Amino acid sequence: DAKTTQPNSMESNEEEPVHLPCNHSTISGTDYIHWYRQLPSQGPEYVIHGLTSNVNNRMASLAIAEDRKSSTLILHRATLRDAAVYYCILSNEAAAGNKLTFGGGTRVLVKP
Amino acid sequence: NAGVTQTPKFQVLKTGQSMTLQCAQDMNHEYMSWYRQDPGMGLRLIHYSVGAGITDQGEVPNGYNVSRSTTEDFPLRLLSAAPSQTSVYFCASSRTRGSNYGYTFGSGTRLTVV
Repeated sequence: DAKTTQPNSMESNEEEPVHLPCNHSTISGTDYIHWYRQLPSQGPEYVIHGLTSNVNNRMASLAIAEDRKSSTLILHRATLRDAAVYYCILSNEAAAGNKLTFGGGTRVLVKP
Repeated sequence: NAGVTQTPKFQVLKTGQSMTLQCAQDMNHEYMSWYRQDPGMGLRLIHYSVGAGITDQGEVPNGYNVSRSTTEDFPLRLLSAAPSQTSVYFCASSRTRGSNYGYTFGSGTRLTVV
């Protein structure tokens, strides 16, 4: 499975943007980049996903490098509710079970 | 829509007991899967199903059985509980197997085997 590398933790101030990096240097051409977050004592929550182009939705933006070897999740204005572990995952339907392989993720702390 | 509903939320079992964790979704999703999450770890895939009547093994299937008789339900059975199965279990569903769809997760079942 193609792996991702994320920083263990990041801190941000409330109402400031947060940029979460993810390296995936062994990504294949058919791997989608997915981001999920997990709030304390809850199940993972889908945030955003993309293949080649940058993507925006109501929760966040996903910026994908031109060579696709890295990506950045952008939370435009962090709130206290955004404190969670954020997982960057490569998903490929050719993989057994189309499984999502979760790594350690980045723990985001938002300070008021 | 309720999304993905898991029951029970908490369960304590004695070693050797069996039980079924329930998972139901009301989004008409074809793809369903079970993950376990051990403390401080990421999620690992146990079993998955690409549609009613079709199931397959994930990374850590030993000690667990699944069935998919309807699109909506995907129960996970522990045959003979062991302390190593103490974990939080998450059920997830997706519109289809393709990578271009996000997954919806349930809120989890916290299982302790003593």
